[in-house]
Amino acid sequence: AQTVTQSQPEMSVQEAETVTLSCTYDTSESDYYLFWYKQPPSRQMILVIRQEAYKQQNATENRFSVNFQKAAKSFSLKISDSQLGDAAMYFCAYRSEVGTYKYIFGTGTRLKVLA
Amino acid sequence: DAGVIQSPRHEVTEMGQEVTLRCKPISGHNSLFWYRQTMMRGLELLIYFNNNVPIDDSGMPEDRFSAKMPNASFSTLKIQPSEPRDSAVYFCASSRAAAAGTQYFGPGTRLTVL
Repeated sequence: AQTVTQSQPEMSVQEAETVTLSCTYDTSESDYYLFWYKQPPSRQMILVIRQEAYKQQNATENRFSVNFQKAAKSFSLKISDSQLGDAAMYFCAYRSEVGTYKYIFGTGTRLKVLA
Repeated sequence: DAGVIQSPRHEVTEMGQEVTLRCKPISGHNSLFWYRQTMMRGLELLIYFNNNVPIDDSGMPEDRFSAKMPNASFSTLKIQPSEPRDSAVYFCASSRAAAAGTQYFGPGTRLTVL
């Protein structure tokens, strides 16, 4: 069975600085998808970024980028030029390419942004 | 496009009462998911539907919980009878399998059972 691990329960970053959130996963599959979701205090789950495992290139969305290391089964999220609005819980998720459409979520990392 | 719509946004009820949570997925999405989020257990998948058919309900905690999807644009999650330990935020999410299965979440329903 697949597992997703976020080993950092909480992180802090100064406004305008860069922070990296870690995520590792375990799977025997070769094709899958990985996601980062943001959950601000409003509790709405918002998709931040998505990575297809078959793509070598790391996904980017504006100030958000990932470092996808398939062999190491690592999928970290880098937030550049951090803003106060980035403060939230961040969840890493795994989805198989075939069969079930279920996500496997990590336990989340709470990001605090300091002014 | 409208996102996933959930109602009510907040529900406060007394133990033993029936609670019904509602979800309207994004038009054109063929998969629908119900999650529960608590501090203790994090985000748990309760059940998911594909083309209105329940595929996996192994996350449903017990017989007091039931879910239906009578058509492609509506789903309900019912708790009968409710208990204080059911207090949580319940999310509905939908996805279109062809689009890499990205799930889009509704705003959630905060349920408090007194």
